[in-house]
Amino acid sequence: AQSVTQLGSHVSVSEGALVLLRCNYSSSVPPYLFWYVQYPNQGLQLLLKYTTGATLVKGINGFEAEFKKSETSFHLTKPSAHMSDAAEYFCAVSYGGATNKLIFGTGTLLAVQP
Amino acid sequence: DAGVTQSPTHLIKTRGQQVTLRCSPKSGHDTVSWYQQALGQGPQFIFQYYEEEERQRGNFPDRFSGHQFPNYSSELNVNALLLGDSALYLCASSLVGCSLFNPYNEQFFGPGTRLTVL
Repeated sequence: AQSVTQLGSHVSVSEGALVLLRCNYSSSVPPYLFWYVQYPNQGLQLLLKYTTGATLVKGINGFEAEFKKSETSFHLTKPSAHMSDAAEYFCAVSYGGATNKLIFGTGTLLAVQP
Repeated sequence: DAGVTQSPTHLIKTRGQQVTLRCSPKSGHDTVSWYQQALGQGPQFIFQYYEEEERQRGNFPDRFSGHQFPNYSSELNVNALLLGDSALYLCASSLVGCSLFNPYNEQFFGPGTRLTVL
């Protein structure tokens, strides 16, 4: 079955430090890949997506992610963490088709320490 | 341009009751998907509605049903509520299109309805 694995349910970084959130998918067919952010008591906001083309994609708020087919990974990075980045981050995949339903990972809660 | 809206924001029910959640899609969108997000989990796909019909369904029992209206808005109904149905219910809308160059139709999420079953 298709699945998404996010390593580390909790990640803590210092303000100004590198943020690295890991995501791997299990599929022989490369999916469309997404990162969403969820702030407390809110819905999901799309950070960035990979559908086709360049494998390094840039998103909002200084985040970027690189699709590596050989590693079936789509890790999210940000060079310098800001306090406002504290939130839960979800990696998701879709295989297009009629419904384009999203399959989500279990999420990574990012804490940013001053 | 209004985004995806959901109502109510919060809801408290007791076991065995029935609940209806509502969703209005983003302007111009014709497809609505529903997701359940239990505490500490990622969202799980419930089903999707297009042209007033259920197009695909996730691994949810028949207690979960839905409807889409001619104006593309949608309802999610849950019967015989269980404690385990407590969750954030997210609605996402998208536009079904046929394009060789953009086969993926991005979904836009609403703020969700927090359902608590006591």
